[in-house]
Amino acid sequence: DSGVTQTPKHLITATGQRVTLRCSPRSGDLSVYWYQQSLDQGLQFLIQYYNGEERAKGNILERFSAQQFPDLHSELNLSSLELGDSALYFCASSQRGDGYTFGSGTRLTVV
Amino acid sequence: GQQLNQSPQSMFIQEGEDVSMNCTSSSIFNTWLWYKQDPGEGPVLLIALYKAGELTSNGRLTAQFGITRKDSFLNISASIPSDVGIYFCAGRGAGSYQLTFGKGTKLSVIP
Repeated sequence: DSGVTQTPKHLITATGQRVTLRCSPRSGDLSVYWYQQSLDQGLQFLIQYYNGEERAKGNILERFSAQQFPDLHSELNLSSLELGDSALYFCASSQRGDGYTFGSGTRLTVV
Repeated sequence: GQQLNQSPQSMFIQEGEDVSMNCTSSSIFNTWLWYKQDPGEGPVLLIALYKAGELTSNGRLTAQFGITRKDSFLNISASIPSDVGIYFCAGRGAGSYQLTFGKGTKLSVIP
């Protein structure tokens, strides 16, 4: 157990729908990062939050949004889902200056 | 922005062989990290390097922080079947809390 909790582990939904992925960071970590990983692809950085505020944005689609709450958990919202959004979505957390600790991911399948 | 070139993209090796992979950066990094991702799981930190020239081992794994601060190497000695997975390098530049990830090296070990 890495200390970063992601729910749900699996999600199957239809095109056009909206889903919310949840992440609880490791205790004491203020930064949360979201990554997308398509089949056999690398880690695509989506967005970072630090202590409730958006810190950096990567290749995140306008249909996607995220937020970090006062208790530091984060949610990634994916709307108007398309088949190509099927992927593993990872959350990672960190304190300043150290490596990221990743959760075990949410596997999203859009049918 | 910062870019990491990780090579090789994939490799098939015989059990017992040694493995070497590397990452090069377009800019100077202050931190190099190596992660391993098992199928269907999140990446797990293997080795962290913080100083140019640093050589660090973790069991059969050895990683080095290049003298130019623009590259890093990971070696795995006497590979075993459980070494199978995707290995990612990641680097952090001066004054940044964000990591830049390589695209990964997919390792397959033939028993």
